[in-house]
Amino acid sequence: EIVLTQSPGTLSLSPGERVTLSCRASQSVGGYLAWYQQKPGQAPRLLIYGASSRATGIPDRFSGSGSGTDFTLTISRLEPEDFAVYYCHQYGSSPPYTFGQGTKVEIK
Amino acid sequence: EVQLVESGGGLVQPGGSLRLSCAASGFTFSSYWMYWVRQTPEKGLVWVSRINNDGGSTSYADSVKGRFTISRDNAKNTLYLQMNSLRAEDTAVYYCVRKYMAADYWGQGTLVTVSS
Repeated sequence: EIVLTQSPGTLSLSPGERVTLSCRASQSVGGYLAWYQQKPGQAPRLLIYGASSRATGIPDRFSGSGSGTDFTLTISRLEPEDFAVYYCHQYGSSPPYTFGQGTKVEIK
Repeated sequence: EVQLVESGGGLVQPGGSLRLSCAASGFTFSSYWMYWVRQTPEKGLVWVSRINNDGGSTSYADSVKGRFTISRDNAKNTLYLQMNSLRAEDTAVYYCVRKYMAADYWGQGTLVTVSS
């Protein structure tokens, strides 16, 4: 099973700041890496798939990069609605498809 | 608009059974693979099972293999998860998820609680 490790666990930031979240895989997932945002009481929402492609309707302040085992989600300028938990997810050719443990972005 | 609406969750005793349903609308259900994913505060998001678009291929997490069965009825645009021999550790919110590129649309989830 591929283990995804996200860092840091929590980030305390102010609106307007730039955010960089990390996701490291225990073995290569190629480009089959997605990022999700989840707010309390809601289902996860797809932000990025294929490591760097934005999902439909996602603002361009969200960007993804990386390949193989190291991936990054960047929010160029935090908006108030961006405070949430972010998860990475690998969906390569063979199950099990795994998720990271999440990074919480909270208001400082 | 893509909609996935889960139902069938509830309280069940250890060893019992439940069947979750997911009604899909707003897209051609028969063209997409589907997942079930569950979530708890302790373990986070955990992929449970996957089914291909015609129902001919399925996969399961080791933790549910032999106890859970995923299926679909493309004529009814509905995904199912039959859960047998339920354990306390199966307590979670269960999400129905459409698979396209990644898990692109999620239902609102249904809570399953396994407790005596």
